[in-house]
Amino acid sequence: QVQLQESGPGLVKPSETLSLTCTVSGYSSSSYYWSWIRQPPGKGLEWIGYIYDSGATNYNPSLKSRVTLSVDTSNNQISLKLRSVTAADTAVYFCARVSSGHYDAVDIWGQGTMVTVSS
Amino acid sequence: DIQMTQSPSSLSASVGDRVSITCRASQSISTFLSWYQQKPGKGTKLLIYAASSVQSGVPSRFSGSGSGTHFTLTISSLQPEDFATYYCQQSYSTPITFGPGTKVDIQ
Repeated sequence: QVQLQESGPGLVKPSETLSLTCTVSGYSSSSYYWSWIRQPPGKGLEWIGYIYDSGATNYNPSLKSRVTLSVDTSNNQISLKLRSVTAADTAVYFCARVSSGHYDAVDIWGQGTMVTVSS
Repeated sequence: DIQMTQSPSSLSASVGDRVSITCRASQSISTFLSWYQQKPGKGTKLLIYAASSVQSGVPSRFSGSGSGTHFTLTISSLQPEDFATYYCQQSYSTPITFGPGTKVDIQ
């Protein structure tokens, strides 16, 4: 049973960098890759980007200039860095597993971690 | 970017009701369409992928249909645990985009 657990600071100051880690437990084959998705309070879901175990990435153009995803396969971790944050980046951030065999649907979601941007 | 819309944005229904939610894409996405259920404190769950394939472990009362730009999620007989918010998502092209959600609550 694969599980995803997000971790990181719940409060980040404006203009600083938001850093989150997702720890993957359980087996996961090469048929999958990883995504970060966020949800501002009371709003809908926004895709941030994908990363493959190879390290190849694909980012949402709306965030591309500020975001970096990385993967540490030896520790089963995926990381998100979002630079120069503002209050608009306040959201629940989800780590997610994407399944190539499911037409690239997210078949497993983390519980999410709330990040507030405030001084 | 492919824009996704959903209707209705919310609905009230009773246990046992048949409920349908519509999702439309701004351009053809073939069948690269998924449906998710989100409950506060319970996380987000994949219900349907490839427009009409039911994810393993999902009750058979959930079904999906459609292709191209028009899609439907149907719950054949609403159960108490189905009161939640439902999102569609296209994975045809990046950026991946989601519909705005449909909240299903108790009438």
